[in-house]
Amino acid sequence: AQSVTQLGSHVSVSEGALVLLRCNYSSSVPPYLFWYVQYPNQGLQLLLKYTTGATLVKGINGFEAEFKKSETSFHLTKPSAHMSDAAEYFCAVSARNSGTYKYIFGTGTRLKVLA
Amino acid sequence: EPEVTQTPSHQVTQMGQEVILRCVPISNHLYFYWYRQILGQKVEFLVSFYNNEISEKSEIFDDQFSVERPDGSNFTLKIRSTKLEDSAMYFCASNPGLVAGSPLHFGNGTRLTVT
Repeated sequence: AQSVTQLGSHVSVSEGALVLLRCNYSSSVPPYLFWYVQYPNQGLQLLLKYTTGATLVKGINGFEAEFKKSETSFHLTKPSAHMSDAAEYFCAVSARNSGTYKYIFGTGTRLKVLA
Repeated sequence: EPEVTQTPSHQVTQMGQEVILRCVPISNHLYFYWYRQILGQKVEFLVSFYNNEISEKSEIFDDQFSVERPDGSNFTLKIRSTKLEDSAMYFCASNPGLVAGSPLHFGNGTRLTVT
């Protein structure tokens, strides 16, 4: 079975500061990991994904995440926050389950960027 | 870029009424999903659909819910007799299913308000 835990339902950073959103996963099989962003009144938009290979994954809008198997983590970072980064961020894990892929989402982290 | 489209964007209905939420997944995708998000809460899996049948469903997806792919393009979620607690944002998603680890593509959602 797969699960995802996002630490911190709300994170506030100053504009220009480092963004760090935490995600830990549990999976009985090699996982596929994703970060999605949700702006108000919109659907979820893919930021980045990890499947296999390089453990440091770069996504859109300057975000990146590192897959650390030993820590079962997939934290999302951005060196310098912009006001436009204010949104809700969801970590998700996927694994094959009886012929289909199941996607499990974390509870989300709302990022606030302070001027 | 192809998109998942959902209609209507907002649906208001009275308790006990039937509603049908409509989705047009990306045309060459093979796997279809419905998720819901109660205001301010996590994104919850409802059901996945492949090869014209349900491949998995959650505990939320009880007998009041059904899904259908009535033609080659639409994918619908029906709630037979709505309850107040069905008020939520409902997201349709699709996935090509051909490559392991491919991400879900989400629509912008339908906000269902049950009064």
